[in-house]
Amino acid sequence: DTGVSQDPRHKITKRGQNVTFRCDPISEHNRLYWYRQTLGQGPEFLTYFQNEAQLEKSRLLSDRFSAERPKGSFSTLEIQRTEQGDSAMYLCASSLPGGKIEKLFFGSGTQLSVL
Amino acid sequence: SQQGEEDPQALSIQEGENATMNCSYKTSINNLQWYRQNSGRGLVHLILIRSNEREKHSGRLRVTLDTSKKSSSLLITASRAADTASYFCATELSGGYNKLIFGAGTRLAVHP
Repeated sequence: DTGVSQDPRHKITKRGQNVTFRCDPISEHNRLYWYRQTLGQGPEFLTYFQNEAQLEKSRLLSDRFSAERPKGSFSTLEIQRTEQGDSAMYLCASSLPGGKIEKLFFGSGTQLSVL
Repeated sequence: SQQGEEDPQALSIQEGENATMNCSYKTSINNLQWYRQNSGRGLVHLILIRSNEREKHSGRLRVTLDTSKKSSSLLITASRAADTASYFCATELSGGYNKLIFGAGTRLAVHP
């Protein structure tokens, strides 16, 4: 257990529905990242926060995706009007503040299946 | 697109043998890290090597970095069945990008 928790672990939804995932990082970590991973591939960067500020969004993150980190604590990732291509593992990670990234602590992920 | 590419994509060995995985990347980096992922779980950090370092050791792990060739290798010595997992290299690009870019990974199977 790395100390980063994600909820839910699994989500099955029908195409067109909205889904929301939550991530609770390690409390003293001010950086929080979202990645997406499909079967047989490495994690792909989606977005990251430093405290409550969203500092970068990948072009992978279409307008249907939105992420928030109110008050710089937990974060939510919402996908609107889900599509089958959104099926993937959504991973959250956090890291200590600092100039360079020394280590990411990952949660166990949320596995999304869009039917 | 992904920065790193691992080679081989899959590796199958017997317990006690050594496992070597390679990673190549495209642009200048601050550091390179290796992570392990058990099936259906999150990633766990194994080791970090900075751009000014050439080799690091941690227990049964040995990592090398060749910045002139933009490549790294991860050696696991005396492998165990419990080492069965996927292994990913990740690079932090230089220039203040503040994110890690992962490769596609090597799937290692260690047979008893």
